[in-house]
Order: sequence, then structure tokens, then C-alpha cells
Amino acid sequence: QAVVTQEPSLTVSPGGTVTLTCGSSTGAVTSVHYPYWFQQKPGQVPRTLIYDTSNKHSWTPARFSASLLGGKAALTLSGAQPEDEAEYYCLLTYSGARVFGGGTKLTVL
Amino acid sequence: EVQLVESGGGLVQPGGSLRLSCAASGFTAGSYWMSWVRQAPGKGLEWVANIKQDGSEKNYVDSMKGRFTISRDNAKNSLHLQMNSLRLDDTAVYYCVRDYGGYWGQGTLVTVSS
Repeated sequence: QAVVTQEPSLTVSPGGTVTLTCGSSTGAVTSVHYPYWFQQKPGQVPRTLIYDTSNKHSWTPARFSASLLGGKAALTLSGAQPEDEAEYYCLLTYSGARVFGGGTKLTVL
Repeated sequence: EVQLVESGGGLVQPGGSLRLSCAASGFTAGSYWMSWVRQAPGKGLEWVANIKQDGSEKNYVDSMKGRFTISRDNAKNSLHLQMNSLRLDDTAVYYCVRDYGGYWGQGTLVTVSS
């Protein structure tokens, strides 16, 4: 099965901007992979931030946005807040089956 | 409001079996693909399996094919995961997830231990 890759860790300053990426071992990530992005804080259930590449839920803070960038799925956080410190996972779909990335630990410091 | 409530987790010995259930409310489960996702202690998320709206198509992660079986009962708005030949490394919180939109249940803990 495919391997989905994410940066293991990233650091952003409060108020800063950071982009997390999600790549696929099979080639470029496109809309047919229906990229999802999840946020998980310690001890909590994962929360879906983005579905189908760039769609937000009502609870998704406006400072999060997502797109396809350079053959990868990308999640951009603009104006980082301390509460954004968390683990972020992407999920890609491959003809029905799904694969998570290993997660990016985002530190706001 | 979309709600997913898992049940059936617990302590089981290696080689044993367990059947997880997920009760859906706030939407018609039969209109959506549904998944099981698990998370071992201190580890990342792992997609386990999903099932099409009418149950005609199922997908599994390779490592669980033949041991785990996903099923659904649309009349009861429910999803199930039959887990056989359980191993120590199957210990995890198992989540029920509605594929479209990514709605999650609270999870149920499965502990495989002798």
C-alpha cells in the first residue's frame, strides 16, 4: 500500500505562518486523493479541520487553509496561536482504501 | 448533530476475538462510506477498513486482511468490526468515522494482553 509522508516536526512562532505538507509514494497528490487534515491534541479525539482538499468545517478556525502545492497536499496556518500546538495528520484515499501520514508535531514557540 | 458512539472494547487474550459496534445518529449512516481507524498508545493514526453505503465494497489495510471484517446494518444505523486472532499489537483505541466530512466517535479501547 502507498506511503504517505509528512514532516515529523515543525516549529512556528506565535503569529507566524507555517505550511505542513502531505506527500504520496505513488506520485503527485491530486484532488482524487481527497486529502483530509486532522488536528489532535494530547488525550483528545482527532478533529477534522479540512476535508476533500480544502473544505472547512464550521469549527475550523479561519487561520487554517489547505490546498494542493507542488504535488503535495498542504495545510497552511497563518497567525499561529498557542492553542494550535498539536499533532496534525493528513489522510489520502487510494481507490477507496485510505492511508494516514505519520503526523507532524507542530510546536508554537 | 452527527454522533457516533463506539462500544464493545475491552480486555482480550492474544488469539481471541472481539466485535466492535458503532451506533450512528443525527444522519442516515446508510448514505455514507464508514471507516474504522485505530490509534495504539503513543502512536499515530492508522486507518483500518471502510465499507461502502450498501456494504457491497470493503477495503482493508493489508496487515488486517483476513483477521478483521467490517460490516454494517443500515436498518439499525450501525457499523461493526469483527476482530479475530487478536495480537498484542492490536491494542489501541478504535474509532468509528464517517468518511465524508470526517466525523469521529469518542473511541473504544481494545487491550490485548495475557
